[in-house]
Amino acid sequence: AQSVTQLGSHVSVSEGALVLLRCNYSSSVPPYLFWYVQYPNQGLQLLLKYTTGATLVKGINGFEAEFKKSETSFHLTKPSAHMSDAAEYFCAVSATTSGTYKYIFGTGTRLKVLA
Amino acid sequence: EPEVTQTPSHQVTQMGQEVILRCVPISNHLYFYWYRQILGQKVEFLVSFYNNEISEKSEIFDDQFSVERPDGSNFTLKIRSTKLEDSAMYFCASSGSRASTDTQYFGPGTRLTVL
Repeated sequence: AQSVTQLGSHVSVSEGALVLLRCNYSSSVPPYLFWYVQYPNQGLQLLLKYTTGATLVKGINGFEAEFKKSETSFHLTKPSAHMSDAAEYFCAVSATTSGTYKYIFGTGTRLKVLA
Repeated sequence: EPEVTQTPSHQVTQMGQEVILRCVPISNHLYFYWYRQILGQKVEFLVSFYNNEISEKSEIFDDQFSVERPDGSNFTLKIRSTKLEDSAMYFCASSGSRASTDTQYFGPGTRLTVL
C-alpha cells in the first residue's frame, strides 16, 4: 500500500530564506507524487506533480521538488521564501485498489514565514 | 480557468440531522471524488464516482453516506444522520480521467459542524 510521511508539522523560515518541506513515500509500484498548497480558508491547489521523466519538477510560485528513488523522497523547496508562501502544504501519492486513482495525503506541514 | 465549486462554504447542523453537500465539478471532467479533513488531521479519501456509480469507497464511507450526480452538473454528498465525529472540512475533487498521473482539482471545501 502507498503512503507518504511529512516530517515536521510546522516549519518557520525567515523571509528570503530557503524553504525545505520534507516528504517521504512508500510505494510498491512506481509512485506518482503531488504537492498541494492550502491557503487559509481555501481549497487545495496543485503546486507540482511528478509522474515520469525528469526527476526535478518545477511548479508554480517558484517551488520545485526532486524525486529521489534511492531515498524514497520528494522534498519541496523554494530558494527564497515570501510572506505570501505562508500556508499548509500537503504531499500526496496516487494509489489504486480498484482501477480508479485516489490520493493518499500526508499530514501536512504548516509553513510560517517570518518578517 | 475552470474550477470546482462547493456549496455551502459552512454548514452547521444538529446531530442526527441529514445534510447534503453540493459540488459542481469542472464541466468536462468525468471522475469525481469526496475527501474530508478533520481539524488538525490529514486529508482522507472518502469515495470516487464515475459513470453514475461508486468506483471505490473507504472504510469511512459507511451506510450513512451516499453520493449522487442528480443532473449533468452537480455532484452531492449526503450524510443521512450526522454524528459529532462527522464534523470536518469536506472537499470535492474532479479529474478528466482516472489515470494515476491525472491531476485532481479540488474545490474550496465545505466546513461541516455537527452540534
